Amino acid sequence: GENVEQHPSTLSVQEGDSAVIKCTYSDSASNYFPWYKQELGKRPQLIIDIRSNVGEKKDQRIAVTLNKTAKHFSLHITETQPEDSAVYFCAASQSGGFKTIFGAGTRLFVKA
Amino acid sequence: DAGVIQSPRHEVTEMGQEVTLRCKPISGHNSLFWYRQTMMRGLELLIYFNNNVPIDDSGMPEDRFSAKMPNASFSTLKIQPSEPRDSAVYFCASINTGGNGYTFGSGTRLTVV
Repeated sequence: GENVEQHPSTLSVQEGDSAVIKCTYSDSASNYFPWYKQELGKRPQLIIDIRSNVGEKKDQRIAVTLNKTAKHFSLHITETQPEDSAVYFCAASQSGGFKTIFGAGTRLFVKA
Repeated sequence: DAGVIQSPRHEVTEMGQEVTLRCKPISGHNSLFWYRQTMMRGLELLIYFNNNVPIDDSGMPEDRFSAKMPNASFSTLKIQPSEPRDSAVYFCASINTGGNGYTFGSGTRLTVV
C-alpha cells in the first residue's frame, strides 16, 4: 500500500522568510496530492492540491511542486506570517473517492 | 451547506463502555472516511465507504471497532468495549468521487478513563 513520508517534523522560521516542507510517496499509482493545514484544536483543511499531470501549482503565497519520477512533492510558503503557524500534512491518493494516506505532519512555527 | 457534522464533540467514558460516534457527510458526497488522530500515530485511516458500501476496513485496529453507513447521510463508528488506548480525536471526512480533497468534520475528542 501507499506510504507517505514527510520532513521536517518541526520547522521554525522568522516572519517574512520562506518555509519548505517535503514529502515522498511510494505508490506510483497515486495521482492526487493534497496539502492540509491544521490549526490547534481545529480540523484539517485543504489549502492546495496538485494532480500528477502538473508539475507546479501556485496560489498566492503558497506553491506545490511535484516530481513524479522521483515520487516527491513539496509545499513552499513565501513571506510567512504568524498566522501560518500550524501543522501541515501532505497526502497522496488515487484521485478523490479513494483512500488518502497522510504524512506524519510538520509543525510550522513562524516567529514574529 | 453546514459541512460535515460530527457528534458528539467531546466524549468521556469509562473503560469497558460502548462508545458511538456519529457523522453526517456533505449532501451529495458519495465517499465517507473515518480517521483517528493521535500525537504518536498521526492521522490513521480506519475505514472508508463509497456509495454507503464499506470498501476498505484494513485500518480498523481490532474487532472492538465497527462502522456502518445505513444511508447516504449518516455513518457511525462504534467501539465496544472501549479501552484507554482508544483515546484520540476521531475525524469523519467526505468527498465526491473525482473531487478536490476531503472536507473534514470538527472531530470527536474521545477520552477513555
